[in-house]
Amino acid sequence: EIVMTQSPATLSVSPGERATLSCRASESVSSNLAWYQQKPGQAPRLLIYSASTRATNIPARFSGSGSGTEFTLTISSLQSEDFAVYYCQQYDNWPPITFGQGTRLEIK
Amino acid sequence: QVQLQESGPGLVTPSQNLSLNCNVSGGSISSGAYYWSWNRQHPGKGLEWVGFIHYSGSTFYNPSLRSRVTISVDTSKMQFSLKLSSVTAADTAVYYCARVKRYSIEGVWYPYAFDIWGQGITVTVSS
Repeated sequence: EIVMTQSPATLSVSPGERATLSCRASESVSSNLAWYQQKPGQAPRLLIYSASTRATNIPARFSGSGSGTEFTLTISSLQSEDFAVYYCQQYDNWPPITFGQGTRLEIK
Repeated sequence: QVQLQESGPGLVTPSQNLSLNCNVSGGSISSGAYYWSWNRQHPGKGLEWVGFIHYSGSTFYNPSLRSRVTISVDTSKMQFSLKLSSVTAADTAVYYCARVKRYSIEGVWYPYAFDIWGQGITVTVSS
């Protein structure tokens, strides 16, 4: 089973600043990686797939990069609605499909 | 626009079966381009993939749950279902249904990410 490890667990950033979230896979997942945003009481929302492709209607301030075992989600200028929990997920080596434990992005 | 909606009991007795349905609207469940998935999230925790099904009936399960999970599809009702047997308190979670696009390489099918999710249903296992 591929283990996904996200860091940091909590990230405090001021509105308007850049946020950088990391995700590491225990073995290579090529570019078969997705990022999700989850707000309290809501279902996750797909942001990025194939490591760097934005999903439909996702703002350009969200970008993904990386391949193999190291991945990054960058939010270029944080808006108030961006404060949430973010999960990475691999779909390269399955079953099982696995998720990271999440990074909580909070207002500084 | 495709929408998914979970339904089922919010309270299940330990050792009994958990049964949930996911209704698909705004699109066809019989599209060959997708798998239909169940995921869950334990209270205050991260996400766990349970398994998914293709409309043809092909199923794929998380090995950690395979002995207790059955996912089925009813194309006439535009719904797919989850049955989890012999539940314990550890199965208390929010259960989500989701859509997964799939693609083929040399005749082998692979999933992409979960692009559409239902709102989730909270299931508590308790006597």
